[in-house]
Amino acid sequence: LAKTTQPISMDSYEGQEVNITCSHNNIATNDYITWYQQFPSQGPRFIIQGYKTKVTNEVASLFIPADRKSSTLSLPRVSLSDTAVYYCLVGASNDYKLSFGAGTTVTVRA
Amino acid sequence: NAGVTQTPKFRVLKTGQSMTLLCAQDMNHEYMYWYRQDPGMGLRLIHYSVGEGTTAKGEVPDGYNVSRLKKQNFLLGLESAAPSQTSVYFCASKVAGGHGYTFGSGTRLTVV
Repeated sequence: LAKTTQPISMDSYEGQEVNITCSHNNIATNDYITWYQQFPSQGPRFIIQGYKTKVTNEVASLFIPADRKSSTLSLPRVSLSDTAVYYCLVGASNDYKLSFGAGTTVTVRA
Repeated sequence: NAGVTQTPKFRVLKTGQSMTLLCAQDMNHEYMYWYRQDPGMGLRLIHYSVGEGTTAKGEVPDGYNVSRLKKQNFLLGLESAAPSQTSVYFCASKVAGGHGYTFGSGTRLTVV
């Protein structure tokens, strides 16, 4: 299973763009990159997934360079409600056990 | 759909007591998981199941037992609770061959 490294914490202000980079140097050919968001007192929820290049949905964008050894989750124009822990996971569809790690705590201030 | 439902939501136990946490999912997912989350830490996998009647150990299985008698239910048991088991417990499920986990809302357990 590919190991991931992401910053422990990031601070931002409302209206700014937040970019969280996750390193996964030993990503395998069949691995996808998935990001989860966890609010206090709630379970994590899926926000975006990608394999290569760029993926965008209503919540975030995910940028994956050609070598796939890292990925960047981009949260546009954050608000106070985006304060959460964000987890980067790497694994294949047939991986039944993935490690969540400590995640990145994003704090958005007014 | 309810998704993943955990009961109870809160519980206080005395050291040495036993209890069972119930996780139920209505999405027909094959895989189910129990995690614990401690302050400032990520999710650590306790046990998991890849199908009815099968279970396996995760990263921190000691002190816990699990059972998956029905596909939709995954039970987590504490035979003799210890203060070190004070934590928030999350259940999750995933379809075989899929990438996305669906989590329950958690059970906050305090052992005094």
